Amino acid sequence: NAGVTQTPKFRVLKTGQSMTLLCAQDMNHEYMYWYRQDPGMGLRLIHYSVGEGTTAKGEVPDGYNVSRLKKQNFLLGLESAAPSQTSVYFCASSQFSNQPQHFGDGTRLSIL
Amino acid sequence: AQSVTQLDSQVPVFEEAPVELRCNYSSSVSVYLFWYVQYPNQGLQLLLKYLSGSTLVKGINGFEAEFNKSQTSFHLRKPSVHISDTAEYFCAVSNQGGKLIFGQGTELSVKP
Repeated sequence: NAGVTQTPKFRVLKTGQSMTLLCAQDMNHEYMYWYRQDPGMGLRLIHYSVGEGTTAKGEVPDGYNVSRLKKQNFLLGLESAAPSQTSVYFCASSQFSNQPQHFGDGTRLSIL
Repeated sequence: AQSVTQLDSQVPVFEEAPVELRCNYSSSVSVYLFWYVQYPNQGLQLLLKYLSGSTLVKGINGFEAEFNKSQTSFHLRKPSVHISDTAEYFCAVSNQGGKLIFGQGTELSVKP
């Protein structure tokens, strides 16, 4: 089972560039999430989705946009990258809101 | 608002010794509680969860945790650790809305 797959695994951007991170899950989960992980701060929720075609803001949504056009995919976009967005990004999914989330292996993003 | 506090950022311990990783949470509503483990350069894996029922929860790799509602705690324990348990451990809380709030993480370092 692939579970949750994130692409790319690594990326270096220049300030002001844009990019999209892709998350795909093959477990037919309804809920999908994007987090960022920074040293000493745990994981913070950026955006999430409770089903195909829906998105909602999390704790730190500024500077990011998301789309959930297909149930299995959840895209995270950076319109104009800033050095403060250098982080490790994790995607997760769950079947129901009270069920454990399954995580991808992360995307390491550096913005110069 | 919910919050999670992991009381120790780093816990060094010798192999075969017992360990306790402490987690306190605050919430005005019923919560679900989770412990996740993150090995280097990997995503998060679920160790155990408390949704309801017995307050003593057993997880994978010999870990267990006890939900204490009066003390709003969910401490993680293992009676005898191995070198392979070296990793970062995250406590997380969610309500029925599905959003996870993570603690800052505890780095467990097991020494021979």
